[in-house]
Amino acid sequence: DAGITQSPRHKVTETGTPVTLRCHQTENHRYMYWYRQDPGHGLRLIHYSYGVKDTDKGEVSDGYSVSRSKTEDFLLTLESATSSQTSVYFCAISGQGAFKDTGELFFGEGSRLTVL
Amino acid sequence: KNQVEQSPQSLIILEGKNCTLQCNYTVSPFSNLRWYKQDTGRGPVSLTIMTFSENTKSNGRYTATLDADTKQSSLHITASQLSDSASYICVVTGSGGSYIPTFGRGTSLIVHP
Repeated sequence: DAGITQSPRHKVTETGTPVTLRCHQTENHRYMYWYRQDPGHGLRLIHYSYGVKDTDKGEVSDGYSVSRSKTEDFLLTLESATSSQTSVYFCAISGQGAFKDTGELFFGEGSRLTVL
Repeated sequence: KNQVEQSPQSLIILEGKNCTLQCNYTVSPFSNLRWYKQDTGRGPVSLTIMTFSENTKSNGRYTATLDADTKQSSLHITASQLSDSASYICVVTGSGGSYIPTFGRGTSLIVHP
């Protein structure tokens, strides 16, 4: 199994509070992704990173920010959590990306966030 | 806009039976297509990968097919087992400027004893 650790695995918070989810990898993979998964929507990309301090938005980035100060860590922050951000969040990594290779995604176990 | 559509949305079969899941995509230009299996409460795991030149690929009881002309793929599961109960997700990656994969919404498969 790819060495990906997400923390926390479960969190309950209140509307308006900031929340940070952490993804840690031991594979030295270049690309890291944050997805959210909701019933009826499948997995949707929030933000991704293609290197240290290099990040970009996905299709559902509003209300989220990310940071990657080290290869192994990718942080997802909800500046002010809302009930619509209640979801299961998955981190994924891949070794290669643009223009080459097949870029298999390796997923973490997910972080379940409930915003009351 | 790149899209991946899967059918059926859900499927219930008896243990030992075969089933086929469908995936249609509009991603162009095409690089590869993967089928992922996601067990309840776990992250998805890749089952197979299909590139442009490949028509069929097997992984145990799982066989994936690809028709790049019609932009369709199928995942056939033979002699289903209870452990096959999961969500199966089709993911297509393009070869153009964006390498970000496009996800289907998945097919939820339940295998009953």
